[in-house]
Amino acid sequence: AQTVTQSQPEMSVQEAETVTLSCTYDTSESNYYLFWYKQPPSRQMILVIRQEAYKQQNATENRFSVNFQKAAKSFSLKISDSQLGDTAMYFCAFMKTSGTYKYIFGTGTRLKVLA
Amino acid sequence: GAGVSQSPRYKVAKRGQDVALRCDPISGHVSLFWYQQALGQGPEFLTYFQNEAQLDKSGLPSDRFFAERPEGSVSTLKIQRTQQEDSAVYLCASTSMDNQETQYFGPGTRLLVL
Repeated sequence: AQTVTQSQPEMSVQEAETVTLSCTYDTSESNYYLFWYKQPPSRQMILVIRQEAYKQQNATENRFSVNFQKAAKSFSLKISDSQLGDTAMYFCAFMKTSGTYKYIFGTGTRLKVLA
Repeated sequence: GAGVSQSPRYKVAKRGQDVALRCDPISGHVSLFWYQQALGQGPEFLTYFQNEAQLDKSGLPSDRFFAERPEGSVSTLKIQRTQQEDSAVYLCASTSMDNQETQYFGPGTRLLVL
């Protein structure tokens, strides 16, 4: 069975600074997807970034980038130039490419951006 | 187009009552997922539909939980004889056929069982 671990329950960062959220996972699958989702207080989950395991290049979306280390089974999210609107819960999720495409989520990291 | 919608947004039930939670996926999305999110936890998979077929219900915690999607669009999650441990946010997500990896989530239904 796959598991996803987020070891940082809460983090804070000053506005305009950079912060990195950690995620590790365990799987015996060779191909899969990894995701970071943001869940603001209104509770609608929004996709931040996704990574396909067979792609070695780290995904980047504007101020958001990942450090994907497949051998170490690590998938961290870096947020550059943090903004107040980045305050939210962040969930790391795993999806294998066979079967039902269900997500396995971590327990989340609550990020607070400080003015 | 419109995103995934869910209703009601909040539901308070007395222990033992039956509840029905509705999900309207994005138009044209063939796959639909239900997740349960307990307070302070990540969402946990409940069940999955492709069109009207329920292909995976391995996450349903008991036979009190039942989901349907009779016409391959709107889905209903029904919980019979609710218990306090059923209190959670229930999230619905849908995906399109050409991008099955990315799930689009609704705002959730917060269920409180007293």
